[in-house]
Amino acid sequence: DQQVKQNSPSLSVQEGRISILNCDYTNSMFDYFLWYKKYPAEGPTFLISISSIKDKNEDGRFTVFLNKSAKHLSLHIVPSQPGDSAVYFCAGSTGFQKLVFGTGTRLLVSP
Amino acid sequence: KAGVTQTPRYLIKTRGQQVTLSCSPISGHRSVSWYQQTPGQGLQFLFEYFSETQRNKGNFPGRFSGRQFSNSRSEMNVSTLELGDSALYLCASSLTGRETQYFGPGTRLLVL
Repeated sequence: DQQVKQNSPSLSVQEGRISILNCDYTNSMFDYFLWYKKYPAEGPTFLISISSIKDKNEDGRFTVFLNKSAKHLSLHIVPSQPGDSAVYFCAGSTGFQKLVFGTGTRLLVSP
Repeated sequence: KAGVTQTPRYLIKTRGQQVTLSCSPISGHRSVSWYQQTPGQGLQFLFEYFSETQRNKGNFPGRFSGRQFSNSRSEMNVSTLELGDSALYLCASSLTGRETQYFGPGTRLLVL
């Protein structure tokens, strides 16, 4: 039972362009969603979160959009930089507890 | 402020052995959660400790256990290791468990 799905295993984008990473969920009880970035041999690094009562949250180059009716969220990175190349995980949670992660999307930003 | 630290970073064990992993949370954080990352199952929640008590538990067998000390440091133990326990074990901390979790670098366990 995969409650959080990231259907694109990989994404390639050119430097300076927009990266859009997508995530779908099935659990209506999730009230917070988070995005983490992970480099090899390191733990996930928190990027941005969004409450289920909002439809958008922005932090610098990162914006997360939430469409509750479609049970879909997306992370936009503008402009993309080579240092953004990593695996991105979305996660759903109830009160930030027991994070349920998607399988990740590998982003490659080429110069 | 120092981040979450985990020791050891790498570990090799054989089937049937047991292993203990350690996690020191960010100073002031009282909640510690453990996750397992494998290529096949992705990142999965193991359990969460708060104030020395297990507060949440994932769907893992009883071979996986943990504890938390009064200084919020946590250990997890896996007994009777199986080949499938080979994974990256991550711990994450937050102030009370109801805020963003911050992850440590993980302990990579290889079971032979």
